Amino acid sequence: GEDVEQSLFLSVREGDSSVINCTYTDSSSTYLYWYKQEPGAGLQLLTYIFSNMDMKQDQRLTVLLNKKDKHLSLRIADTQTGDSAIYFCAESITGTYKYIFGTGTRLKVLA
Amino acid sequence: GAGVSQSPSNKVTEKGKDVELRCDPISGHTALYWYRQSLGQGLEFLIYFQGNSAPDKSGLPSDRFSAERTGGSVSTLTIQRTQQEDSAVYLCASSPIMTDPGELFFGEGSRLTVL
Repeated sequence: GEDVEQSLFLSVREGDSSVINCTYTDSSSTYLYWYKQEPGAGLQLLTYIFSNMDMKQDQRLTVLLNKKDKHLSLRIADTQTGDSAIYFCAESITGTYKYIFGTGTRLKVLA
Repeated sequence: GAGVSQSPSNKVTEKGKDVELRCDPISGHTALYWYRQSLGQGLEFLIYFQGNSAPDKSGLPSDRFSAERTGGSVSTLTIQRTQQEDSAVYLCASSPIMTDPGELFFGEGSRLTVL
């Protein structure tokens, strides 16, 4: 079946690195995504990775994909208070319109 | 603005009443999605539209839920005889079909509270 799992909470100190983890079950996904939801707002695409890649770096963000273990992670370097939000992992299923979202990880950055 | 617009942003209703939630997608986006976000539950898929047709309604929780889309644009999600368990944030997203990487553009959501 299709299922995407994340831990619910993560707390880090400002300036530290944050690592948010995600596991998924559908091996036919084309892209995997990280979306960010700030309080009272909709989700915004933060970054994505194509399923044949292992890593993608974008400024302070590093995405790692382990297809064998179906594990995706998002590392935020030098975490700032503005990074406090809910982060959703999502996958798109090849050949379909389907996007499966995880439960979201609430990141709290302590000053 | 050019983003996805949802209304109302907040709705408080009494148990048993009907509610309508509206989504105005980005112009030209043919795909439209409704999701429900409950505390600790993540995003639950409700329904997908391709143009005006809904090939997948499997996520609708019960027959009290229905949705339509007209003119390939605005969509309305209707919940009849609301129950307390319907309380959640209802999110709408749109997407231009068949583009890589397939980004979904979300509205800010409609928060429904059923008393």
